Amino acid sequence: GAVVSQHPSWVICKSGTSVKIECRSLDFQATTMFWYRQFPKQSLMLMATSNEGSKATYEQGVEKDKFLINHASLTLSTLTVTSAHPEDSSFYICSAQLTPTAPLHFGNGTRLTVT
Amino acid sequence: QKEVEQDPGPLSVPEGAIVSLNCTYSNSAFQYFMWYRQYSRKGPELLMYTYSSGNKEDGRFTAQVDKSSKYISLFIRDSQPSDSATYLCAMSPQGGSARQLTFGSGTQLTVLP
Repeated sequence: GAVVSQHPSWVICKSGTSVKIECRSLDFQATTMFWYRQFPKQSLMLMATSNEGSKATYEQGVEKDKFLINHASLTLSTLTVTSAHPEDSSFYICSAQLTPTAPLHFGNGTRLTVT
Repeated sequence: QKEVEQDPGPLSVPEGAIVSLNCTYSNSAFQYFMWYRQYSRKGPELLMYTYSSGNKEDGRFTAQVDKSSKYISLFIRDSQPSDSATYLCAMSPQGGSARQLTFGSGTQLTVLP
């Protein structure tokens, strides 16, 4: 099956600093990856679609300058939370799919705490 | 009214029980239906993936889709404590497009030993 690896699994940072989260497809190539955010006891909210070799597509209300996405290779997408603030504290999850019509497979998520 | 409704629970059952998890939806265009299991502090894990109406079985798990009633179910037989997790239904009109994928809010299940 499709394996999506996410790193780090948790991170604590100080307000004003930037944090990078990596998402890798381990056994397949993914031209498209997706970044989600999840608040406690809530469902997943799609933030952006990461496209290999081109700009990411952000959902309405998601600040593209705050959440920088880079998809430099077919197996790696990164999400950088810039100038993090406590309200950015959340659970960030990436996903990818084997083929464009296949179901999504998710990474194990990154818990970000901004102090 | 939400596009996908899912009873948030929490649902607590004894070990060995049959568990029924359900979602209703309003968009008749949905054709692809998924169930994900999410353990605490982990990403969702795909359990079942079905297209259109009908049943699909995988081990102790059975997914049912009734498009005429806009109702999907996940049954877990012989439930185990390791099944304790949040279960998310998800659906889309087309396969694969995350932008068209709608999740339920999740049902928290606890299986008591």
